[in-house]
Amino acid sequence: DTGVSQDPRHKITKRGQNVTFRCDPISEHNRLYWYRQTLGQGPEFLTYFQNEAQLEKSRLLSDRFSAERPKGSFSTLEIQRTEQGDSAMYLCASWRIGIDTIYFGEGSWLTVV
Amino acid sequence: KQEVTQIPAALSVPEGENLVLNCSFTDSAIYNLQWFRQDPGKGLTSLLLIQSSQREQTSGRLNASLDKSSGRSTLYIAASQPGDSATYLCAQYSGAGSYQLTFGKGTKLSVIP
Repeated sequence: DTGVSQDPRHKITKRGQNVTFRCDPISEHNRLYWYRQTLGQGPEFLTYFQNEAQLEKSRLLSDRFSAERPKGSFSTLEIQRTEQGDSAMYLCASWRIGIDTIYFGEGSWLTVV
Repeated sequence: KQEVTQIPAALSVPEGENLVLNCSFTDSAIYNLQWFRQDPGKGLTSLLLIQSSQREQTSGRLNASLDKSSGRSTLYIAASQPGDSATYLCAQYSGAGSYQLTFGKGTKLSVIP
């Protein structure tokens, strides 16, 4: 257990439905990252927050994706109108500036049928 | 654009053997490089972080080296054990403030008892 919690761990949804994932980072970690990983690939960067501010979004993050981190604590990643191509594991990671190691959660698996 | 390549994609060795996993990167202005372990269906566990000013890091049976001039990093595992079976990912940090990671596709290691 790295201390980074993600919920739910698994989600099966029908195409077109909305889904939301939650990440609870290690407390005092001011940086929070979202990555996406498909089978046989390494994780790909989606977006990151410093405290409550979303500072960068990858071009992979289409308009159907939105992420928030209210109050600089937990974060949510919402996918609207899911497509089969959204099926992947969504990983959250947290890091405190000045501490070198980043910590990843166990990931949230999404299957769109 | 940063690119990270890992060779081989899969490796099978008998228990007790020493082995080397390879990682190459295209960005010579590398910031830091990190090796992770990923078990099936799980998140990422940090193994070793090599800062750009370092040439190697060691933890137990693991040793990671960094050669910026050739754009290569290696992860050496001594006296492999069946419990070492997992996918090993290397990732390069961007230094442009976001410190986002660019991952390779990983090497899937199987240690045969």
